[in-house]
Amino acid sequence: DAKTTQPTSMDCAEGRAANLPCNHSTISGNEYVYWYRQIHSQGPQYIIHGLKNNETNEMASLIITEDRKSSTLILPHATLRDTAVYYCIRCNAGGTSYGKLTFGQGTILTVHP
Amino acid sequence: GAGVSQSPSNKVTEKGKDVELRCDPISGHTALYWYRQSLGQGLEFLIYFQGNSAPDKSGLPSDRFSAERTGGSVSTLTIQRTQQEDSAVYLCASSLARCRTEAFFGQGTRLTVV
Repeated sequence: DAKTTQPTSMDCAEGRAANLPCNHSTISGNEYVYWYRQIHSQGPQYIIHGLKNNETNEMASLIITEDRKSSTLILPHATLRDTAVYYCIRCNAGGTSYGKLTFGQGTILTVHP
Repeated sequence: GAGVSQSPSNKVTEKGKDVELRCDPISGHTALYWYRQSLGQGLEFLIYFQGNSAPDKSGLPSDRFSAERTGGSVSTLTIQRTQQEDSAVYLCASSLARCRTEAFFGQGTRLTVV
């Protein structure tokens, strides 16, 4: 089961940090956590991924709990252009589903002025 | 090319006709994915190719759907005897190394069956 659970929608004020949670309680040791976002009528855009350690890049930070059962995507200073659907995905780096990316329904993040 | 290219960008077809959708992945990418996205919905997995391995076809909704990948590069998704419920955006993605690097998505083909 490659399922992740995310809130359906969230709001954030422009300039504030947006913290998007994701539950992946059944994750296995060799599964990566990926985040993508999709802005209306565009293809999904990669944001960040991680396995065990927290990760940071120019777009966001990814905080993974020690037991790896949940993670949080942090957009440190949200802008109106960050309004999008955010997908948290598991990628299995082994076994019969090696490399398969399964998307859920995602979180609709709305950044308001 | 600079990214994943899909063609056509838009396709309108009559119910019952066959359609072919094309995906040109990033050069050197061994993994290739097809997804479908209906209006207002999330991405539905269709099929996944990895190198010379047998593709994972577990997401194909019916035997009217098929896909092939020639020479480990270009992929074609074929829908036979199209139905109105096939109307959706069909997205293709490719990646260099499964899970360890990100997948890059094309802009999709918007299929409308009338």
